Amino acid sequence: EDQVTQSPEALRLQEGESSSLNCSYTVSGLRGLFWYRQDPGKGPEFLFTLYSAGEEKEKERLKATLTKKESFLHITAPKPEDSATYLCAVPAGGTSYGKLTFGQGTILTVHP
Amino acid sequence: DVKVTQSSRYLVKRTGEKVFLECVQDMDHENMFWYRQDPGLGLRLIYFSYDVKMKEKGDIPEGYSVSREKKERFSLILESASTNQTSMYLCASRRGQGTSSYEQYFGPGTRLTVT
Repeated sequence: EDQVTQSPEALRLQEGESSSLNCSYTVSGLRGLFWYRQDPGKGPEFLFTLYSAGEEKEKERLKATLTKKESFLHITAPKPEDSATYLCAVPAGGTSYGKLTFGQGTILTVHP
Repeated sequence: DVKVTQSSRYLVKRTGEKVFLECVQDMDHENMFWYRQDPGLGLRLIYFSYDVKMKEKGDIPEGYSVSREKKERFSLILESASTNQTSMYLCASRRGQGTSSYEQYFGPGTRLTVT
């Protein structure tokens, strides 16, 4: 069965304090790993897609990396506006219709 | 930019009412999805549609039905709303078959309260 596990559940940082969020996955035949940002009361906003081990993607203070078993979302010198829940997801194995399996998310809070 | 819109941001309904949630996407996507999101349970797939008039059950379809008469529009129907259907409902869309891109794009969500 496909599984996506995110850690930690919650992360509190001071502004400027860099850190990483983890997403571990188990799926047959990885067809991409996705990171989303979700603000309270809103829908998830797509951030990145990673397809193969060793791949990296960057957007402002965020960098996503991928290995064969996990992905990291590195946050460099975060600002309070980076506070959100970060979700990762993988396409469910054995389907061609793009069903996604989501992790539970990491709630990031950045204090000024 | 992909645009997914949902008919209401907030909705309050009474137990037993029939509820319609509408979702529209403007990117000619073939696949559309309805999720609900609850604290501690994450995102759970209710139904999805891979083409017009085509639908498949997700992980928690009980108490829900869907309709897709046009490619851009996907409706979620609560046949007889119950309090345990109070939740955040999220619609998403994705380009269909013939693409290797599986990322989904989400709407803003509808916060439904059933009293």
